[in-house]
Amino acid sequence: DAGVIQSPRHEVTEMGQEVTLRCKPISGHDYLFWYRQTMMRGLELLIYFNNNVPIDDSGMPEDRFSAKMPNASFSTLKIQPSEPRDSAVYFCASSLARRITTDTQYFGPGTRLTVL
Amino acid sequence: DQQVKQNSPSLSVQEGRISILNCDYTNSMFDYFLWYKKYPAEGPTFLISISSIKDKNEDGRFTVFLNKSAKHLSLHIVPSQPGDSAVYFCAASAGDTGNQFYFGTGTSLTVIP
Repeated sequence: DAGVIQSPRHEVTEMGQEVTLRCKPISGHDYLFWYRQTMMRGLELLIYFNNNVPIDDSGMPEDRFSAKMPNASFSTLKIQPSEPRDSAVYFCASSLARRITTDTQYFGPGTRLTVL
Repeated sequence: DQQVKQNSPSLSVQEGRISILNCDYTNSMFDYFLWYKKYPAEGPTFLISISSIKDKNEDGRFTVFLNKSAKHLSLHIVPSQPGDSAVYFCAASAGDTGNQFYFGTGTSLTVIP
């Protein structure tokens, strides 16, 4: 398997623009997670899905952030409008999650977002 | 508020010596802990885990120690190798009552040849 795939790897945009990050999880994994990494807060969970259904979005910072998972092999994280403080590395991860609090999560390479 | 803390942003160690990375947590409900390793431009990869029923778990050169009373865990790498240079994240979860992992801010380890 190719692992978790994320695109784009780098995104530079201007404040106010819409940004869409994409993720393809490992085939057969039931859970998909979106994380944001910053120096100050480390890896923060934004939202996760089980079988394409959003389960917990309490980590989504504001209404400007939204995530979808239209099918088992694709998810998007959208920021509209983007702001400079959204600059971070965004990771997607997936897991089999027989037990969500112990199963290993497999991370994609991340998308480095810079909002000018 | 950060429930998992890694207070040392960086650590440098000579090749062949021991590397000790530390992690503290505040939530007494946490009962499962992991360490992830991250190279530049890559995602974190799972390294080693420990359940709260144990105080030590060993996998080759990597050993994780858990001190529940102090709410502290540490990762020991012996001997350290240049390829171990990476960012190490500590993560914790609360088994039956939790629904996510909480990650620390990471410690950047540099192993000097």
